[in-house]
Amino acid sequence: EAGVVQSPRYKIIEKKQPVAFWCNPISGHNTLYWYRQNLGQGPELLIRYENEEAVDDSQLPKDRFSAERLKGVDSTLKIQPAELGDSAVYLCASSSSGGYNEQFFGPGTRLTVL
Amino acid sequence: GQNIDQPTEMTATEGAIVQINCTYQTSGFNGLFWYQQHAGEAPTFLSYNVLDGLEEKGRFSSFLSRSKGYSYLLLKELQMKDSASYLCAVRDIAGNTPLVFGKGTRLSVIA
Repeated sequence: EAGVVQSPRYKIIEKKQPVAFWCNPISGHNTLYWYRQNLGQGPELLIRYENEEAVDDSQLPKDRFSAERLKGVDSTLKIQPAELGDSAVYLCASSSSGGYNEQFFGPGTRLTVL
Repeated sequence: GQNIDQPTEMTATEGAIVQINCTYQTSGFNGLFWYQQHAGEAPTFLSYNVLDGLEEKGRFSSFLSRSKGYSYLLLKELQMKDSASYLCAVRDIAGNTPLVFGKGTRLSVIA
């Protein structure tokens, strides 16, 4: 079974530029999460999707961040414009319904904003 | 509010036993997870506790006391490959709700 796939793995941009991250969850997983992990910190939730609906985006900085999950499968997270403080690893995770809902994480995209 | 505390760093010797503690204060509780994260890689699931007591899985065990808001991860027969960050995470309500993560404990295993 393929795991959560993310691309790109690394991205370096200058501040004020736009950037987008892509995530393909594990097949059959209805729930998709985007987390941000700063160096030396644990992951922090940005947004959670149940199928194509964003059900928890309270931590998403909506002035510059946007996300979508068309057709309830793949998801894209966008930052426009990027700021220096956005440098972090952006993790995508997915889980199935029922049970204790273990979250499976992708390898992340390491963003560096110069 | 939600608060999860774990030591920032620990060092242990190859072949030894190490215990990584985690204390939490959350508005509700519906399970505690431990994840392992090697540098530059994704967190990977280690264990899940929802009831009090010890869960054992090979060299790794996890303990939970809900009344004390306390958990620990026990690693036995340490190997060099166990050098990683160990993340404690709590789910405060049921279902597919997000996890609240601690900052992680960076474990260094030395020869």
